[in-house]
Amino acid sequence: DIQMTQSPSTLSASVGDSVTITCRASQSISTWLAWYQQKPGKAPKVLIYKASSLEGGVPSRFSGSGSGTEFSLTITGLQPDDFATYYCQQYKSFSKTFGQGTKVEIK
Amino acid sequence: QVQLQQSGPGLVKPSQTLSLTCGISGDSVSSDSAAWNWIRQSPSRGLEWLGRTYYRSKWYNDYAISVKSRIVINADTSKNQFSLQLNSVAPEDTAMYYCARDGPMGTFDYWGQGTLVSVSS
Repeated sequence: DIQMTQSPSTLSASVGDSVTITCRASQSISTWLAWYQQKPGKAPKVLIYKASSLEGGVPSRFSGSGSGTEFSLTITGLQPDDFATYYCQQYKSFSKTFGQGTKVEIK
Repeated sequence: QVQLQQSGPGLVKPSQTLSLTCGISGDSVSSDSAAWNWIRQSPSRGLEWLGRTYYRSKWYNDYAISVKSRIVINADTSKNQFSLQLNSVAPEDTAMYYCARDGPMGTFDYWGQGTLVSVSS
């Protein structure tokens, strides 16, 4: 299986800050990468697909970049609703794998 | 709007079979542009994809290596739903189980509400 490694595990930030989460794949996945947001007690919600394409209805303060093995998710101007856990996920392989998650918490 | 509605027991005894069903509205389990997945989440294993079923002129299944010997995913076209059976469960199979659609963009774009399954005697 392709292993996905996210950093940091936890990130403390304030409303209005810009934050970046990184994700590394154990082998090249081209741009077959998605980012999800999950809030407590809810299923994950897709934010970004194909590494940098914004899912419909997702605010433009979310952006993704990268290709190959290195990827990032940036939130520009954190809003109260953005405090959540974020996961990357590769879909190059049918056996889709997730990163371990990054919790964005209020400083 | 696609909706997925999960059903099934929240408590299963060790060595028995975990069975969950995911009902689909707003799409078809026989869609030739979607796949229907089971994913679980636990503190120890994180988000773990378990397997999928999909129809492309015939039915296909793919399963995660970690559960391949114990898992069956079936589609029921008459009820527009799909199901998960996980055999010989152990306490480490305790998790929140989700069904999810693998849509046209290749991502899990619709999810069920989740079912917390505990494996305990």
